[in-house]
Amino acid sequence: DGGITQSPKYLFRKEGQNVTLSCEQNLNHDAMYWYRQDPGQGLRLIYYSQIVNDFQKGDIAEGYSVSREKKESFPLTVTSAQKNPTAFYLCASSLRGPGANVLTFGAGSRLTVL
Amino acid sequence: AQTVTQSQPEMSVQEAETVTLSCTYDTSESNYYLFWYKQPPSRQMILVIRQEAYKQQNATENRFSVNFQKAAKSFSLKISDSQLGDTAMYFCAFMKLPSSGGGADGLTFGKGTHLIIQP
Repeated sequence: DGGITQSPKYLFRKEGQNVTLSCEQNLNHDAMYWYRQDPGQGLRLIYYSQIVNDFQKGDIAEGYSVSREKKESFPLTVTSAQKNPTAFYLCASSLRGPGANVLTFGAGSRLTVL
Repeated sequence: AQTVTQSQPEMSVQEAETVTLSCTYDTSESNYYLFWYKQPPSRQMILVIRQEAYKQQNATENRFSVNFQKAAKSFSLKISDSQLGDTAMYFCAFMKLPSSGGGADGLTFGKGTHLIIQP
């Protein structure tokens, strides 16, 4: 079945450590997105990529980094510069062109900083 | 930049009742999409309904329908014959129309409404 796989589902990190969240899709989608969800805040866009080797900052990119070396993969690194990294992170993907208005979401990754 | 406002943090209704969730948005774009997403306790985001701004007819999906008022920038969701499985967070979202052949710049979400269906 086609879909988006996020791993790990739960992750614990000590302060000062970088951590990378994985997002893999087998939908042959061109565009991929990372969102952060906090209680009472809805979802906020961190980074997005419409094609391989290209990505753009979203609304809250500070303290995060991404890469897009393969069409299927869009990993997110939460760096030590992110002041409040504890949150739920969602990855999504979509086609370009006529199907660009439909985003498919992964199941999410919960990051807790100890 | 776009903003999406959901003014009802939480709502509770009895099973089988009809409930309406409110959403307003602000944008200078003339062509765009609006969405309602559902997030149950599993936290999986599920698309409920989508509306193209250039269509005057309100979208409908089974028990779910919208009231889209473009001039007022309002986009409410009506759930008829509510069921226990409708209990979830509901998010209103905005998408600027993607460029021809291009990808979307992502969705802008409201803060959500927690809907509780009581038995």
